[in-house]
Amino acid sequence: QVTLKESGPALVNPTQTLTLTCTFSGFSLSTSSMRVSWIRQPPGKALEWLARIDWDDDKFYSTSLKTRLTISKDTSKNQVVLTMTNMDPVDTGTYYCARLIATGYMDVWGKGTTVTVSS
Amino acid sequence: QSVLTQPPSVSAAPGQKVTISCSGSSSNIGNNYISWYQQFPGTAPKLLIYDNNKRPSGIPDRFSGSKSGTSATLGITGLQTGDEADYYCGTWDSSLSAWVFGGGTKLTVL
Repeated sequence: QVTLKESGPALVNPTQTLTLTCTFSGFSLSTSSMRVSWIRQPPGKALEWLARIDWDDDKFYSTSLKTRLTISKDTSKNQVVLTMTNMDPVDTGTYYCARLIATGYMDVWGKGTTVTVSS
Repeated sequence: QSVLTQPPSVSAAPGQKVTISCSGSSSNIGNNYISWYQQFPGTAPKLLIYDNNKRPSGIPDRFSGSKSGTSATLGITGLQTGDEADYYCGTWDSSLSAWVFGGGTKLTVL
């Protein structure tokens, strides 16, 4: 059974750096064609894709956010970490991680973690 | 402004059929597989359709997907009140080297 779980701070001050961890089980990110993506959703708004990391350590970022994002993986811990710098209140929302299958779909999602940016 | 365009809302009566459109371009829908996601309030999205028209195990055949050129359609037949949710299309955009979602469509079953 494949599961993913997001963790990180619930409250972040403006200008701070957010670090989120996605801990997964049921698959290995060292297996060919496996990928993990981060997606976020501001309250009442649409899904927004943030970043993706592949089994071979290829990394891809949202065009509008790429200067603020870094994605990395720790295969031995089955974790993917996303950092977002210079947090702003508009970054408030629920952050999800999901497994991305090579042909192009996110088959399993975590339950999400809510992040509020406020002083 | 989302790269993929969906209607903000659709509605239909119980038992009826509804379709949700998703319009893109040759760099995304035109040359990549489309997938659809269902999201109930306060919960994570759930994969509904993948590879344009395939249903994951456990998804009833009331849900269907199709693709033609740079557009895709999600169809739901035999509407139930439990189908009321937000629906998102998504795919990879080869020009942006990024995943793109539609803006989401809220389905109301009247």
